[in-house]
Amino acid sequence: DQQVKQNSPSLSVQEGRISILNCDYTNSMFDYFLWYKKYPAEGPTFLISISSIKDKNEDGRFTVFLNKSAKHLSLHIVPSQPGDSAVYFCAASGRGSWGKLQFGAGTQVVVTP
Amino acid sequence: DTAVSQTPKYLVTQMGNDKSIKCEQNLGHDTMYWYKQDSKKFLKIMFSYNNKELIINETVPNRFSPKSPDKAHLNLHINSLELGDSAVYFCASSPPSGPSYEQYFGPGTRLTVT
Repeated sequence: DQQVKQNSPSLSVQEGRISILNCDYTNSMFDYFLWYKKYPAEGPTFLISISSIKDKNEDGRFTVFLNKSAKHLSLHIVPSQPGDSAVYFCAASGRGSWGKLQFGAGTQVVVTP
Repeated sequence: DTAVSQTPKYLVTQMGNDKSIKCEQNLGHDTMYWYKQDSKKFLKIMFSYNNKELIINETVPNRFSPKSPDKAHLNLHINSLELGDSAVYFCASSPPSGPSYEQYFGPGTRLTVT
């Protein structure tokens, strides 16, 4: 059973515009959420995270928003750059899970000039 | 100065063979993981070791056996390979302090079973 869902397999956005990636989860025990970025033939790299006690975390061009009541989080990339073209994975973990991450299926982002 | 490395990067083998994938991290991390990314692109955790002790063992066929000779290494041995084992296998590690959720991944090993 997929407890973390990314319902948009792909997203195309123009350079300079905002990219918004969405993620939904079903397990209310999750207390930490992460976004990973993955280029072809490479491993995922950590991008940004948010604890369940917060509703927003910002790091440069990347902002993650968490809506616990809706069990929904989103990643905003502003402005989008060609180097942001990659697959973005949403992941979640629960307290005491020894770092066991549950991943979504990923969203392929393509930033066009 | 590679952080998490895996060998080999590609592995093509026939059904029934036994193969191993090696992983090494030079980050000083205490915890290491093996993930499998299947054809549907889902990343799923298989095993995790903390200080050479197995702490996560998901529902994985016992043909898969992880071994951690020391904190910096976590190897994955697969016996009697099957077609369904074809996937990309990622090793990861996480630091001893701070959220263990922030994991650092290796480049992956693409295993193809024919």
